[in-house]
Amino acid sequence: AQTVTQSQPEMSVQEAETVTLSCTYDTSENNYYLFWYKQPPSRQMILVIRQEAYKQQNATENRFSVNFQKAAKSFSLKISDSQLGDTAMYFCAFMNRGGADGLTFGKGTHLIIQP
Amino acid sequence: DAGVTQSPTHLIKTRGQQVTLRCSPKSGHDTVSWYQQALGQGPQFIFQYYEEEERQRGNFPDRFSGHQFPNYSSELNVNALLLGDSALYLCASSLALLATDTQYFGPGTRLTVL
Repeated sequence: AQTVTQSQPEMSVQEAETVTLSCTYDTSENNYYLFWYKQPPSRQMILVIRQEAYKQQNATENRFSVNFQKAAKSFSLKISDSQLGDTAMYFCAFMNRGGADGLTFGKGTHLIIQP
Repeated sequence: DAGVTQSPTHLIKTRGQQVTLRCSPKSGHDTVSWYQQALGQGPQFIFQYYEEEERQRGNFPDRFSGHQFPNYSSELNVNALLLGDSALYLCASSLALLATDTQYFGPGTRLTVL
């Protein structure tokens, strides 16, 4: 079974700063996907970024980028030029290729962006 | 393009009762997954439905059952409710033909068991 670990329960940074959220995972699979989801107080889980394990290039989406280290089983999220609207719970998630057994989530990191 | 919708938004039940939650997938999606999110935790996978069949199940008892209809919408049923079933229930949809299978989530149903 896969496990996902997020070791930072809460982080707080000033607006416009850069912040990095950590995530490690454990799996014996070789083909899989990793995700970061954002869950604001409205509860809606929103996809932030996705990484395919077979791709060496790190995924980027505007201000969001990842540092994917497959050998180390590490998948951190970097948020540049942080904005007040980035305040939310951030969940790291793992999924085997095919997705039939669903997403395995970490416990989340509560990110607070201070004005 | 309609996203994933869930109903009801909130629900209060008492122990021992039964509950049905509903989910309509994002337009064009054919696969529905259900998750339980306890307070302060990450979501946990309950099961996934594709072609009206349960495709895979997480570590949840048989009290949790589901159904998928021909229009791809889905229901989650929970029997003999326990206090510990109080949680946010999330539905996610995806398209089985896409190997990436990215799941898109609905707003959730908050279930409170008294």
